Amino acid sequence: EADIYQTPRYLVIGTGKKITLECSQTMGHDKMYWYQQDPGMELHLIHYSYGVNSTEKGDLSSESTVSRIRTEHFPLTLESARPSHTSQYLCASSGTGVFNEQYFGPGTRLTVT
Amino acid sequence: RKEVEQDPGPFNVPEGATVAFNCTYSNSASQSFFWYRQDCRKEPKLLMSVYSSGNEDGRFTAQLNRASQYISLLIRDSKLSDSATYLCVVNVYNFNKFYFGSGTKLNVKP
Repeated sequence: EADIYQTPRYLVIGTGKKITLECSQTMGHDKMYWYQQDPGMELHLIHYSYGVNSTEKGDLSSESTVSRIRTEHFPLTLESARPSHTSQYLCASSGTGVFNEQYFGPGTRLTVT
Repeated sequence: RKEVEQDPGPFNVPEGATVAFNCTYSNSASQSFFWYRQDCRKEPKLLMSVYSSGNEDGRFTAQLNRASQYISLLIRDSKLSDSATYLCVVNVYNFNKFYFGSGTKLNVKP
């Protein structure tokens, strides 16, 4: 069982609010990822990190930002939430090396009203 | 062109049937391959890694064909609990990214 955690699991928030989605892993993985997924649709990579102080934008443009100050922690922030940000946000991590698989957290289901 | 292509299905099969999914990838530099399972409104979970020589885990068999750049998953003796979306995933090591297919939906009927 993967040790990767996300909070909150569900969040309903009004337009214009600032929100931070938390993601932590206890596996010591260097690589961490944020994906966005709408119901029944495919995963889209929005941010990833190779390690502390490294972050990169993913394939899907996102208005969110991320930080990686500690190996185990990779929070995602939306400065001003909009209804178009309503989605499921999935955090994942993987170790170094070619054959290290990715492990996912349970996700945060965000609704912006 | 997408990095990873999968038939979206759905595949509707009776219990006990054998079903096979295929997936193709476009980057010949791809180095590691996986099948994930995703239940409705849940996170993807690793089903199995796919090794060059092929590998089996109980009722599940995965094969890799590097020359043709495709990966397959065979499920024997399907159970109702196998109903889910199966995601083909490819890792291109130099890019530190995992590329996901859009998933193949499986419905196993009684």
